Amino acid sequence: SQKIEQNSEALNIQEGKTATLTCNYTNYSPAYLQWYRQDPGRGPVFLLLIRENEKEKRKERLKVTFDTTLKQSLFHITASQPADSATYLCALDNAGNMLTFGGGTRLMVKP
Amino acid sequence: DADVTQTPRNRITKTGKRIMLECSQTKGHDRMYWYRQDPGLGLRLIYYSFDVKDINKGEISDGYSVSRQAQAKFSLSLESAIPNQTALYFCATSAGGSQPQHFGDGTRLSIL
Repeated sequence: SQKIEQNSEALNIQEGKTATLTCNYTNYSPAYLQWYRQDPGRGPVFLLLIRENEKEKRKERLKVTFDTTLKQSLFHITASQPADSATYLCALDNAGNMLTFGGGTRLMVKP
Repeated sequence: DADVTQTPRNRITKTGKRIMLECSQTKGHDRMYWYRQDPGLGLRLIYYSFDVKDINKGEISDGYSVSRQAQAKFSLSLESAIPNQTALYFCATSAGGSQPQHFGDGTRLSIL
């Protein structure tokens, strides 16, 4: 069966360090993958999209990689700040704008 | 004003009651979605609509129904609420293709 796995345990890091979050999937052939940020009591907010033929995408302090052989995406936040503390969700789309979400990983950045 | 507005934000009700959650959007998107979120399970798709006359079941549609009254409005109904429908419910819109989805801030629903 199709499965998307994100580390359910919170990731705690020190301010200024790079946070790396993992999204693994099985039995998918996604056309693209999206990352969202969710704050408590709010809806998810789109951050980045990467297509199956792209290896890496960057936006300011954010970087996403996509390895279709390993069936894995890594999401990096460089020079992390306490304001980056949130839950981060990955979502896969086989095609047609139908997203399947992972369970999310909570990131805590300590000053 | 928010682009995707959900009402109510919080609702507590009893088993067996009929409940309607409403979603309206000002983004002009044709596509709208309803999800539920449970701790550790991520967002699961309940129903989606690609235009006013289009309604499709998602992964977990049993016990739910929807109505797409206009391009801007998509409502979710629980005909006879049960406690395991207690969850956070999100509405989202998109322009289609590979475009991102835009979410409302959710309705926290508790069924006693």
